[in-house]
Formats: sequence, C-alpha cells, structure tokens
Amino acid sequence: QQQVKQSPQSLIVQKGGISIINCAYENTAFDYFPWYQQFPGKGPALLIAIRPDVSEKKEGRFTISFNKSAKQFSLHIMDSQPGDSATYFCAASFLSGGSNYKLTFGKGTLLTVNP
Amino acid sequence: EAGVTQSPTHLIKTRGQQATLRCSPISGHTSVYWYQQALGLGLQFLLWYDEGEERNRGNFPPRFSGRQFPNYSSELNVNALELEDSALYLCASSPWTGGNTEAFFGQGTRLTVV
Repeated sequence: QQQVKQSPQSLIVQKGGISIINCAYENTAFDYFPWYQQFPGKGPALLIAIRPDVSEKKEGRFTISFNKSAKQFSLHIMDSQPGDSATYFCAASFLSGGSNYKLTFGKGTLLTVNP
Repeated sequence: EAGVTQSPTHLIKTRGQQATLRCSPISGHTSVYWYQQALGLGLQFLLWYDEGEERNRGNFPPRFSGRQFPNYSSELNVNALELEDSALYLCASSPWTGGNTEAFFGQGTRLTVV
C-alpha cells in the first residue's frame, strides 16, 4: 500500500496560534517525507522534509515530528501568520530501482490563519 | 535560474479531443514527473520520465501518455478527453542523484474539458 492519509481537511487558526497537520502512511519502505505548501494559482513548493532516522526537524517556525513506530508524521506551524494561509500537502516516497522517486501525496489541508 | 515552466497556462478542449501539455525542467534536471491535481483528489502521480525513458506510471488509463525529449523537456498527451480529465496538471523536475531529492514544481496547466 502506498497511501498517505492526511488530516484535517481544513483548519482555521488565529494569528499567533499553532497549526498542526497530521499524516499517516502504510508503506514502511517510505524513507522520505516532505511537506509542500501551495498557494492558489501556484504549484506546490517544498517547505520542509524529514528522513525516518530522525524524530524531529525544525526550520524556523516549521517543525516536522516523525513517529516511525506509529507510521505517522506531522507538521507544526508555530506563531501562525495570515501569510501562512495556503494548502499544505504531506507526501512520502521511497527509492525505486535505485533511481529518483515519485511522490505519494496526502489529499491536502486548507489552512486559514485569521488576523 | 529559471524554474520549471509549463505551457499553456490554460487549455480548454471539447470532450473527445486531444490535449498536449508541455514542460521544461530546470536546467540540469533529467527527471520529469507529471501529476494530476483534480478538485478534492489531491495530487495523483501520472508519469515519470528520466533520460528519455518512461520509468514509472501511475494508475491512469493508456490514453494518458507522454514523452521526454533529448533536451529533457517533456510532453503529456491526453487522448479522447473526458469531462473528468478537467484538472490542474503539474510538472515537476529533479536532478539525477541516485537517491531521494527535492522535486521542483511548475505552476501547472489548467485543463478544462467541456
């Protein structure tokens, strides 16, 4: 199974609050877990990514928490800002034949940060 | 450095027609990926090309096809268009490194089938 399940479907947060988006995967062969941010009319852009050998990765206000045993990972956005309002996708991939990869995406979370 | 460029930005076709979408990867990138982003379905993997060859294919019918040219640009062809093919088609590229690397996305082609 290569499915990635993402929740919630939509999220409304007040400015300065913490936004949390969760993803769960089934294929234990996945070894790369990126998060993408997509603004309306734009293609997705890589936000932050993690490998399964670490449990947490932080870049600025964005943190990925990874739980290998539970096959779950989550994105935390600290001090959420109106400019963070976008659709967020989690994804997973694995080495395929020793070459580059294809991404399996979650269905996305529409984040709205109210001022 | 130019990013991934896709053309056209918008495309309107009639059911049963054929659509051709184009993608130019970032210079130096040899892998090109095509994704379909339909409303409510997220991004679905379509095709992966590397060094001119189709490396992997998603769960789509054969009327979705493509190719990669010697300059690594790529075309996605959709034959016998159906209404449900209406979606944003995204192209992404990444360099060959033998391992997981970041994929950079273009802005997409919005295909509308009427």
